[in-house]
Amino acid sequence: AQSVSQHNHHVILSEAASLELGCNYSYGGTVNLFWYVQYPGQHLQLLLKYFSGDPLVKGIKGFEAEFIKSKFSFNLRKPSVQWSDTAEYFCAAITSNTGKLIFGQGTTLQVKP
Amino acid sequence: GAVVSQHPSWVICKSGTSVKIECRSLDFQATTMFWYRQFPKQSLMLMATSNEGSKATYEQGVEKDKFLINHASLTLSTLTVTSAHPEDSSFYICSAKAAELNAYEQYFGPGTRLTVT
Repeated sequence: AQSVSQHNHHVILSEAASLELGCNYSYGGTVNLFWYVQYPGQHLQLLLKYFSGDPLVKGIKGFEAEFIKSKFSFNLRKPSVQWSDTAEYFCAAITSNTGKLIFGQGTTLQVKP
Repeated sequence: GAVVSQHPSWVICKSGTSVKIECRSLDFQATTMFWYRQFPKQSLMLMATSNEGSKATYEQGVEKDKFLINHASLTLSTLTVTSAHPEDSSFYICSAKAAELNAYEQYFGPGTRLTVT
């Protein structure tokens, strides 16, 4: 079955530290990839997405992600986190055969001021 | 653009009663809407997919008679939790996508927190 895995369940960082959240998907065909963020008490917001083209995707708020097809990965990065980045982060994928958005388990990021 | 609203944002109901949650696309026509359920500290699980004017497609393990979905117009889908029980307490989130926007992108509503007492 198609799935999305996020390896880091809870990450604690100090402000200005660099961030990398892992995401792997299991599907051999065409896949569209997303990172969403859910701030406390708020709804899901799209951070960035990859459909095709340049595998390094830049999103909002200084986030970026790199699609590595050979590793089935789409890791999220930010060079310097801020306290306001404290949130839940979800990696998600849509595969060409189902059209359904499949979410990873989510990663709770806590940034200490 | 591409705003999705949900109403109510939170609801408390007694066990055995039914609750209706609305999902509206405010500035686009949603050809397809999705309903997700999110348990505390967990991910979103797709419950069903609804296309305007047709019956919803439910995911495996989701009771169609308990979670009634209606997508009567291109801007409105409703989820009715029938005969609610405490185990139905959860955060319900809808999303919508439109043909005129990117075919693979979904726009999420703010969610509805349901508490069944």
